This record gives sequence, C-alpha cells and structure tokens, in this order.
Amino acid sequence: DIQMTQSPSSLSASVGDRVTITCRASQDLGNYLAWYQQKPGKVPNLLIFAASALQLGVPSRFSGSGSGTDFTLTINSLQAEDVATYYCQKYNSAPLTFGGGTKVEIK
Amino acid sequence: QVHLVESGGGVVQPGRSLRLSCAASGFNFNNYAMHWVRQAPGKGLEWVTLIWHDGTYKYYADSVKGRFTISKDSSKNTLYLQMNSLRAEDTAVYYCARAFCSSTNCGADYWGQGTLVTVSS
Repeated sequence: DIQMTQSPSSLSASVGDRVTITCRASQDLGNYLAWYQQKPGKVPNLLIFAASALQLGVPSRFSGSGSGTDFTLTINSLQAEDVATYYCQKYNSAPLTFGGGTKVEIK
Repeated sequence: QVHLVESGGGVVQPGRSLRLSCAASGFNFNNYAMHWVRQAPGKGLEWVTLIWHDGTYKYYADSVKGRFTISKDSSKNTLYLQMNSLRAEDTAVYYCARAFCSSTNCGADYWGQGTLVTVSS
C-alpha cells in the first residue's frame, strides 16, 4: 500500500505568516490528492482537491501544489481562525489513506 | 444543502456487532458514492470504506476487511455500516462522507457530524 507522510507534525506561526505543509507519497498519485482542515472539536472540511483545485467557499489564502509524489498546502497570511489540524489524503485507489496530520497553532 | 446525519453509535462489548446508519438529504443519493471514515480519540483520520454510487463496488481498509460491510439503500437515502467482531481498536468517531469522484478516484466533500462507537467490556 502507498504510504502518506506529512510534515511537520505540528507548527507554530504568527498571524500573517506564510505556512507550508508537505505531504509525500511512497508512489505516484498523479494529482489525486486532497487536503482537509479539521478545527478543534469540528468535522473535517475539504479545502483542496486534485492537488491544487480550491473547493468552493474556501478562502483564497489557501493553495495547493504538486503532483506525483510531492505535494504542498500553503496558507498565505495565516489567520487566527486557521488554527486546526490539516490532513492530506490520497484518492487514486483504495486504500484511500490519510496523512498523519499537521497541527497548526498561533505563536 | 447537503446534510448527513449518522446514528447507531454507542458502547458495545468486544466481539459483538453494531450497525451504523447515515441519513442523507439535499442531494441525489443515487448518484453519489459514499465513504465511512473514523477517528479514534485524540488521533488522526482513518479511511474505512467506500461504496460505489450504485453499490456495485465496495472497498475496505485492511483493518476492517472481513468484519465490516458497507451498504446503501437508495429508497431510504441511507448509508449503512455493519460492524461485526468489534475490537477495542475500533473505538472511534465514525463519519459518513459524500464522495466526489473523478472516474473511479473518490475523495470526500461533505461530512456528517459523526457518531461515537466505544468498544469496551
């Protein structure tokens, strides 16, 4: 099975900072990679699909890039409401594995 | 507006069974594949199973294969997860999620609020 490795596992940044989270797959996914945000005590929310397509209603400060095995989620100008855990997920074939998550906090 | 409501969670002894339901509304349930995803307390997300829009294909995580069965009843707009031979490590919040698919490749775009399953003696 394809393994999904997210890094870092946690980070602390200041409001207004640019934040980058990476997700690496052990095999080629094409662009079948999604990013989700899960705020504390809340349900996961789809941010990005097809590696770089922004889901409707998601603020434009979120962006995704990459293809193949290396992917990136970027938050431009971090806001207080972005405190959450972020997960990548491969969806090219079962099992549809999630990464381990990246917890984002405000410094 | 897409609405997914899970039910059926609770406390169950190891080795016993439980069936979860997910009532769907706000979209044409017949046209969508559906997932179950779980999250153990304080842990990350774990994909459990996916069913094709018409029920023809079903996929499972290795951790539940042979014990869990996904199904959908389009006449009732309801998704099910039959869980047998439950183990302590199955303790989690179980979410149903609508799938978005590109060909046979499916992520999850809308999620329910989840139902907690606790496996304990």
